[in-house]
Amino acid sequence: EAGVAQSPRYKIIEKRQSVAFWCNPISGHATLYWYQQILGQGPKLLIQFQNNGVVDDSQLPKDRFSAERLKGVDSTLKIQPAKLEDSAVYLCASSPRGNTEAFFGQGTRLTVV
Amino acid sequence: QQPVQSPQAVILREGEDAVINCSSSKALYSVHWYRQKHGEAPVFLMILLKGGEQKGHEKISASFNEKKQQSSLYLTASQLSYSGTYFCGTDQTGANNLFFGTGTRLTVIP
Repeated sequence: EAGVAQSPRYKIIEKRQSVAFWCNPISGHATLYWYQQILGQGPKLLIQFQNNGVVDDSQLPKDRFSAERLKGVDSTLKIQPAKLEDSAVYLCASSPRGNTEAFFGQGTRLTVV
Repeated sequence: QQPVQSPQAVILREGEDAVINCSSSKALYSVHWYRQKHGEAPVFLMILLKGGEQKGHEKISASFNEKKQQSSLYLTASQLSYSGTYFCGTDQTGANNLFFGTGTRLTVIP
């Protein structure tokens, strides 16, 4: 079974630029999550999708971050414009249904300079 | 809403035991435990649902005290492969939207 795929693996941008991350969850998984993990901290949930609907985006900085999950499959997370404090690893995860284990992708390491 | 983990770091020799604690100030539906090795994605260990259940996974087990909103992860006869950072994730609603703790860095040495 293929795992959660994310791209790119690494990205370096200047502050105020825009960036987008892509995630393809495990086939058949209805729930998709985007987490932000700052160095030395635990993952922080940014947004959770159930199929193509948003379940929770309470911690998503909506003035600069946006995410979509078209057709309930893959998803993109965008930051526009980026700030220095956005430097982090962005993890995508998926799970087959609520309250089960989540499978994480390798993440995208974003550095904002 | 972020749970508090303790200790922040621990060093063990192979074969020794360790306990990692996770405490929340909110009522919890479930607690999830993950292990993350350096530069890798978090890997699921186990879920504990409210009801005070205890689960086991080989030499790693966990308990959940619903009344105290606390969970503990028990690692027995530690192996080198147990090294990594352990995170607890707490779910308050049953929707799997987790708040993760700051992690416990476990290092097992020969």
